[in-house]
Amino acid sequence: GEDVEQSLFLSVREGDSSVINCTYTDSSSTYLYWYKQEPGAGLQLLTYIFSNMDMKQDQRLTVLLNKKDKHLSLRIADTQTGDSAIYFCAESASYNTDKLIFGTGTRLQVFP
Amino acid sequence: EAGVAQSPRYKIIEKRQSVAFWCNPISGHATLYWYQQILGQGPKLLIQFQNNGVVDDSQLPKDRFSAERLKGVDSTLKIQPAKLEDSAVYLCASSSWTGGVKETQYFGPGTRLLVL
Repeated sequence: GEDVEQSLFLSVREGDSSVINCTYTDSSSTYLYWYKQEPGAGLQLLTYIFSNMDMKQDQRLTVLLNKKDKHLSLRIADTQTGDSAIYFCAESASYNTDKLIFGTGTRLQVFP
Repeated sequence: EAGVAQSPRYKIIEKRQSVAFWCNPISGHATLYWYQQILGQGPKLLIQFQNNGVVDDSQLPKDRFSAERLKGVDSTLKIQPAKLEDSAVYLCASSSWTGGVKETQYFGPGTRLLVL
């Protein structure tokens, strides 16, 4: 079945690194995504990784993929207060429909 | 380029009433999606259109929800009659996907619905 799980809450000090974790179940997923949602706003795509990669870096963001364990993580270096938001992991569940399956989201709180 | 537009941004109705939401996708995007995001959960796909045809509506409660995209551009999502559990944010997204290689989905700001 299709299921994406995330921890609900993460609190970090400004300037530290944040690591948000995600596990998924569909081994046929071709792409895995990280979206950011600020209060009252829609979803903003942060980054994505193709399933044949195990790491992708984009400025302060590093995505690690362990396909064997179906585990995805997002590391934010030098976390800032503006990074406070809900972060959603999503898998592209089906090649034909392009459907995204989202996790429950991790609320990141950055304190000074 | 302009993003995905949605209206209204907020709507409060009583149960058993009807409501409609509108979405204008990014210009040229063939594929349009409607998601439902209940408080504390991730978005769930309700329906996906490619141009004006339905690709996936497997999770749309068809006894009360309907959606259309008549000219392959704008789309409306309707709920009739609404239930308390329909209280959620309804997100519209669009992409240039036409099958095959994945394309990025761009999301609108959403319509927040409260059913009393």
